Parts: sequence; C-alpha cells; structure tokens
Amino acid sequence: KQEVTQIPAALSVPEGENLVLNCSFTDSAIYNLQWFRQDPGKGLTSLLLIQSSQREQTSGRLNASLDKSSGRSTLYIAASQPGDSATYLCAVRRYFGNEKLTFGTGTRLTIIP
Amino acid sequence: EPEVTQTPSHQVTQMGQEVILRCVPISNHLYFYWYRQILGQKVEFLVSFYNNEISEKSEIFDDQFSVERPDGSNFTLKIRSTKLEDSAMYFCASRRTNEKLFFGSGTQLSVL
Repeated sequence: KQEVTQIPAALSVPEGENLVLNCSFTDSAIYNLQWFRQDPGKGLTSLLLIQSSQREQTSGRLNASLDKSSGRSTLYIAASQPGDSATYLCAVRRYFGNEKLTFGTGTRLTIIP
Repeated sequence: EPEVTQTPSHQVTQMGQEVILRCVPISNHLYFYWYRQILGQKVEFLVSFYNNEISEKSEIFDDQFSVERPDGSNFTLKIRSTKLEDSAMYFCASRRTNEKLFFGSGTQLSVL
C-alpha cells in the first residue's frame, strides 16, 4: 500500500528566503507525482506535475524534482513571498489506468513579512 | 480561468438523512472525481467516473455512496444514510485528457 509522507508538517520562514518542501513515498512504481497548494477554506490548486520519466518541472519560482528510485520529491520555492503562505500537498498516482491519487498530509507554510 | 463549482459550500444534516452534494465540472472535461478530507487528515480518494460509469472506487465508497452525472453538466455525490463519520470536506475534481486535476472549493458536510 502506497504511503506518502511530508516533513515538516509546518514551516515558517522570513520573506525572501528560498525553501524546500519534502515528499517521500513508499512504493517507487508511480505514474506521476503532483504538487498542490491548499488555501484555508478553498480547494486544491495543482502547481506542478512530474511524470515518472521526468526528473524535474519548473513553473515561475517553483521547481519540483523527482527521484523515483529513492521515493522522494522536493518542491523548491525561490524568493518566498507572503502570498506563498498555504498548505502544500504532494500526491502520487500509481499507474496509468489507475485513477486514484494518494496524498500526503501536507506542509503548512507561513512566510513572515 | 474555468472553475469547478460545488454547491452548497456548507451542509448540515442529521444522522441517517440522505444528502446530495453537487458539482459542475469544467465543461470540456472527461474525467470526474470525488475526494474527501476529514479535519486534520489526508485528502482521500472516493471515486472516479468516466464515460458515464464508475472507473474506480475506494474502500470508503460503499453501498451508502453513489454518483451520477444526470445531464451534460452536473456531477453529484449521494450519501443515502449519513453517519457521524461522514463529516468531512468533500471535493469534486475534473480533468480533460492531460493529467492536471482541477478541484472545486469543496462542500463542508457536518453530520449531527
């Protein structure tokens, strides 16, 4: 059974700093991995999706990497801003044809102005 | 940007009552989902729906749950006889053919 873990559960950093969020998964046989952002009282917003054959994806100040063999992914946020404050979730999809995403518990990020 | 719309945003019901949660997925999307998140816990997969039938469901999605796409726009989740443990935020999601999933803002269900 796939287990997805995110450490730390919460993180506070001063504005302007670069930061890394971590995600690990127990079964390396994944189809893809997604990073989502969740704001309080709102839905999830997909930030980046990495296919199993890819090593990284970039969007603006965000960069996600994937090391499938070690069961790890990182989300790098450059030059953090107060608007980046949210909970960040990673989720893995097991294989093509399997629709289920397995989510981690998330990292609650606070950017201090 | 197109959005997945969910109604109502909050629903309070008595234990044993039936509830229907409603969703309007993005219009040209083909795959539809329900997920839920119990307070303080992980987001959990409930069911996926494609080509007018359930393509996959989790252990949570038992006989008390059903989904329907009654017309070309709505996607509903019905819980026949609610239990206290059904209290959660329920998210609808949809996607077209690529992998990016679009989520609605959720319905907070409280079972008393």
